[in-house]
Amino acid sequence: KAGVTQTPRYLIKTRGQQVTLSCSPISGHRSVSWYQQTPGQGLQFLFEYFSETQRNKGNFPGRFSGRQFSNSRSEMNVSTLELGDSALYLCASSIGQSNSPLHFGNGTRLTVT
Amino acid sequence: EDQVTQSPEALRLQEGESSSLNCSYTVSGLRGLFWYRQDPGKGPEFLFTLYSAGEEKEKERLKATLTKKESFLHITAPKPEDSATYLCAVDGGSEKLVFGKGTKLTVNP
Repeated sequence: KAGVTQTPRYLIKTRGQQVTLSCSPISGHRSVSWYQQTPGQGLQFLFEYFSETQRNKGNFPGRFSGRQFSNSRSEMNVSTLELGDSALYLCASSIGQSNSPLHFGNGTRLTVT
Repeated sequence: EDQVTQSPEALRLQEGESSSLNCSYTVSGLRGLFWYRQDPGKGPEFLFTLYSAGEEKEKERLKATLTKKESFLHITAPKPEDSATYLCAVDGGSEKLVFGKGTKLTVNP
């Protein structure tokens, strides 16, 4: 069974630009969550989508947004990039039931210069 | 607000030297506690889920235990390939996992 696939693996952007990251979940998984990982803060929850609807959102500014498609694939977008947005962005999928484990992709490493 | 604290931040062991990692948590109602392993440049890999105090799970050299306030990840006779960052997370009913900052384990041959 294929795992969670995230593209691209690496991105370098300039302040003020926007970026779109993509995530393909494990087949059959309907929930997709996004996390930001930095050395100082660890993993911080961004948002979670289930059946194309955002079910939960973390404490990030509105520059961070996401969506989920009917095939459960998901994208997240960051607009007006700031230096502090440099991080590893992780996508995780699950079957979507309470307390079911998340299965993570290998992330997209975003560097903002 | 759900909180997770892991200790120590870093741990160096000699091959074969058993030890334990700690995960202390504060939640209003625990639905599940999760352990993950993360290798450099990769996403976290799921290891265990624990649901209630007293529960234990084992996988190879790893054993996870759970009390009402904390969880332990016991590593028995570790090998260099066990070197990784181990993450603990809780589901407190808020439909998201809250992660600790991890314990970086290094096992020297």
